[in-house]
Amino acid sequence: AQTVTQSQPEMSVQEAETVTLSCTYDTSESNYYLFWYKQPPSRQMILVIRQEAYKQQNATENRFSVNFQKAAKSFSLKISDSQLGDTAMYFCAFMKPLGGGTSYGKLTFGQGTILTVHP
Amino acid sequence: NAGVMQNPRHLVRRRGQEARLRCSPMKGHSHVYWYRQLPEEGLKFMVYLQKENIIDESGMPKERFSAEFPKEGPSILRIQQVVRGDSAAYFCASSPPPGAGGNYGYTFGSGTRLTVV
Repeated sequence: AQTVTQSQPEMSVQEAETVTLSCTYDTSESNYYLFWYKQPPSRQMILVIRQEAYKQQNATENRFSVNFQKAAKSFSLKISDSQLGDTAMYFCAFMKPLGGGTSYGKLTFGQGTILTVHP
Repeated sequence: NAGVMQNPRHLVRRRGQEARLRCSPMKGHSHVYWYRQLPEEGLKFMVYLQKENIIDESGMPKERFSAEFPKEGPSILRIQQVVRGDSAAYFCASSPPPGAGGNYGYTFGSGTRLTVV
């Protein structure tokens, strides 16, 4: 079974600065996906960024980027130029695709990190 | 192109009553997942369904909980004889059929917050 660990229950950052959220996972699988989801006070789960395990290049989406270290089983999220709207709970998640990789699978989530961006 | 629709948004039930939570997947999506989020915790997988078939129910409590995804209509998560410990946010997500591709980051609904009093 897979496990996902987020060791930072809470983080804070000043507006416009950079912050990094940590995530480690444990799996024996070789083919999998990793995700960061954002959950603002509205409770909506919003996909921030994803990474395929077979890709060595780190994923980037605008101000969000990841540092994927497959051997170390580490998947951190870097938020640059932090904005007040980034204030939310952030969850790291792991997915093993089914059906030889053609089908989605269930997500295993970490405990979450509450990020507060201060003006 | 409506996203994943869940209703009701909030549901209050007395102990012993039944709770029915509904989820309509995105258009073109044939697979549905249910997750539960207890206060101050991450989401926990409950069940994975395709139409008329349960694929994986390894996260479902053995008693009182059931889920279905009929050929027509929304997916239903049913909790019988609710207890205070069932109070949580219940999220539904949907994904395309196998082989349809996509980014593997499936779309979540806004959740149903169940409160048992």
